[in-house]
Amino acid sequence: SQQGEEDPQALSIQEGENATMNCSYKTSINNLQWYRQNSGRGLVHLILIRSNEREKHSGRLRVTLDTSKKSSSLLITASRAADTASYFCATDAKAGTASKLTFGTGTRLQVTL
Amino acid sequence: DSGVTQTPKHLITATGQRVTLRCSPRSGDLSVYWYQQSLDQGLQFLIQYYNGEERAKGNILERFSAQQFPDLHSELNLSSLELGDSALYFCASSVGGLAGVTDTQYFGPGTRLTVL
Repeated sequence: SQQGEEDPQALSIQEGENATMNCSYKTSINNLQWYRQNSGRGLVHLILIRSNEREKHSGRLRVTLDTSKKSSSLLITASRAADTASYFCATDAKAGTASKLTFGTGTRLQVTL
Repeated sequence: DSGVTQTPKHLITATGQRVTLRCSPRSGDLSVYWYQQSLDQGLQFLIQYYNGEERAKGNILERFSAQQFPDLHSELNLSSLELGDSALYFCASSVGGLAGVTDTQYFGPGTRLTVL
């Protein structure tokens, strides 16, 4: 079963606009990661935020984490057509003896010219 | 390029058959993970190996098995294939992979399996 649920499922914006995607999860986590997937291709790691961090930046990406609400958001600023992809959050749960990622359902982002 | 390689890129086979998917992790990575991505189930974790030993199991069917060899490459074996096994199968690797360790996973390009 999916740990994370992403919202919205799909998002269509124009180039230059900002895109915000949200992720909610259920259990306590060590960290939360965001990945991008171009259609039918492998996943590309974007950013990792630890459970004791609240905000992190990487280029045009800004990720926030609210562990009290079990939610995270990914903001892509000044979007480009090349940002068109599906974006997934993935959580690394605290329980267990191994580190495995549980992925959300993903947000399909379409950036048009 | 993540440094993780997977072969083959595409695989078309018939129901009831058995296939083997292969993954080579990034140099220095000890953990290998297998994921299945299908339209109806999304991206599902199957199994993790760390330095040759099974570490975690997810939604992996009994018809599926995996192993990690001394050179750290891994194989995922799928047998008695059914139509519903058609999916993208991804391998990922990370340096560590033990509980409580913050670890980035690097994904390979995937193997697209089509069962006819």
